[in-house]
Amino acid sequence: DVKVTQSSRYLVKRTGEKVFLECVQDMDHENMFWYRQDPGLGLRLIYFSYDVKMKEKGDIPEGYSVSREKKERFSLILESASTNQTSMYLCASLTGETQYFGPGTRLLVL
Amino acid sequence: GESVGLHLPTLSVQEGDNSIINCAYSNSASDYFIWYKQESGKGPQFIIDIRSNMDKRQGQRVTVLLNKTVKHLSLQIAATQPGDSAVYFCAEKGGYSTLTFGKGTMLLVSP
Repeated sequence: DVKVTQSSRYLVKRTGEKVFLECVQDMDHENMFWYRQDPGLGLRLIYFSYDVKMKEKGDIPEGYSVSREKKERFSLILESASTNQTSMYLCASLTGETQYFGPGTRLLVL
Repeated sequence: GESVGLHLPTLSVQEGDNSIINCAYSNSASDYFIWYKQESGKGPQFIIDIRSNMDKRQGQRVTVLLNKTVKHLSLQIAATQPGDSAVYFCAEKGGYSTLTFGKGTMLLVSP
């Protein structure tokens, strides 16, 4: 079974804090993705990575960065969290042509 | 649980009915499409996929139909059950195997 895990299910941070969201897959997948999901807007791609140390911007990269130092781990970084980054964050990993998702991290920025 | 369903189109059916969820896609060059199911508080779960060289694909209780002429996908769920209640998303594959998602449809199944 494809298994994608995310470090936290719920997270509360303050405006201006640096936030790390971690995603891990143990299936040796090359491609990994970060999305945010907001009511009425669906899933929007923030960043993706197709190999270690490789990253590409998605549709809404502003305010975010990513890190892929090891194949199994893809981190999303909010350098200075803002209230408009309150959202559900979803990580996915690719096998074949199908993306499989983690359970999500619900982030609240106060 | 959290609501991802605000402002979503909603389909309400009775248990045992067949459900049809529709989706329009934008890129006529897309060659791969997926349907996902998302239950409240969980990540999207893969249901079924279809390539552009097919117009129909069947799984267990689900069928996906693809009409490339009008850029339309549909997901049919046979004998809908309360456990099918969720938000359903279609997605089309882009470059680097990225996905562009539709806004989703909420399916509500009444016993």
